[in-house]
Formats: sequence, structure tokens, C-alpha cells
Amino acid sequence: AIRMTQSPSSFSASTGDRVTITCRASQGISSYLAWYQQKPGKAPKLLIYAASTLQSGVPSRFSGSGSGTDFTLTISCLQSEDFATYYCQQYYSYSRTFGQGTKVEIK
Amino acid sequence: QVQLVQSGAEVKKPGASVKVSCKASGYTFTSYYMHWVRQAPGQGLEWMGIINPSGGSTSYAQKFQGRVTMTRDTSTSTVYMELSSLRSEDTAVYYCARDTGRLPGTWGQGTMVTVSS
Repeated sequence: AIRMTQSPSSFSASTGDRVTITCRASQGISSYLAWYQQKPGKAPKLLIYAASTLQSGVPSRFSGSGSGTDFTLTISCLQSEDFATYYCQQYYSYSRTFGQGTKVEIK
Repeated sequence: QVQLVQSGAEVKKPGASVKVSCKASGYTFTSYYMHWVRQAPGQGLEWMGIINPSGGSTSYAQKFQGRVTMTRDTSTSTVYMELSSLRSEDTAVYYCARDTGRLPGTWGQGTMVTVSS
């Protein structure tokens, strides 16, 4: 199975900060990479697919980049509602796998 | 609008089975695959498998092969996920999610399954 590794596992940031989360695949996955946001007690929400395509309704402060094995999720100007846990997921292989998550906390 | 409504919380003993349902509405049921994903308390997301509601074909993550069965009932637009030989490590929230371009797009509200003696 393809292993997805996110970094960091957690960090603290302030409203207005620019933040970047990375995701690395254990083998090349082209651009078959998605990002999800999850808030406590809620189901995950799809933010980005195909590594860089914003899902409908997602604010433009979110962006994704990368291909092959290395990917990033960037939030250009962190808002209060963005404090959450973020997961990457590969869908290159039929057995989809998630990263372990990155928790963004308030500093 | 697309809506996925899952069955309620379950408490099971080790060794038992659990069957979680996911009723879909707001779209053509047979036109979209359905994923199942679980999340243990305080842990990350784990993809379990996928079912094609049209023909019923399935594909399971290797970890769950032999223990999970996904089925569907087209007459009620409902998919089911049954997990057998439950152990404490199966305690988790189980989600169904409608496929969007090969990945989970719209998610159900989740079903808590607790395995405890």
C-alpha cells in the first residue's frame, strides 16, 4: 500500500498567518492527491483534489501544489474557522490511503 | 441536495458483528460509488473500501479483507457495511462517503461503533 506521511503532525499559528502543510507519498502518485479539513466531532470536508483544484465553495485562501511524491497545502491568511485537522489522501491506487493528519492549533 | 444518513450508534461485544447502514438521497443512487472510512477515537482516517451501487462490486483495503462486507439495496438507496469478528481496536466512527472523482466527496454524519465486553 502507498504510505502517506504528513508534516508537521501539529503546530500553533495565529490568525492571519500563512501556513503550509506537506504530504509525501511513498511512491509516485502523479497528481492523485486530495486534502480534507476536519473539525472536532464533524465529518471531513473535501478541500482540494487533483493536488491543486479547489472544491466548489472552498475559499481561495486555500491552495495546493505538487505532483509525484511531494505535495503542499497552503492557507494564505489563516482565519479562525481554519483551526482544524487536515488530511491528505492519495487516490492513485485503488486502495486509497490517508496521511496521519496535521492539527492546526491557535497560538 | 446530496444527503447521506447513517444508522445510529452501536455497542457490540468482542467477536460479534456490526452492520452500519447509509441511506442516500438527492441524487441517482446507482450512478456513484460509495466509500467507507473509519476513525478511531483521537486517531486519523482509515479507508476501508468501496462499493459500486450499480452492480454491487466491491473492493476492500487489504487490512479488512475477510472481515468486511459491503452491500447495497437499490430499492431503498441504502448501502451497508458489515464488520465481523469485532475487537476493541474496531471501536471507531464509521463514515460512508459518496464518491467524487475517485475519492470521498460528500460524507455521512458518521456512526459510532463501540466494542466492549
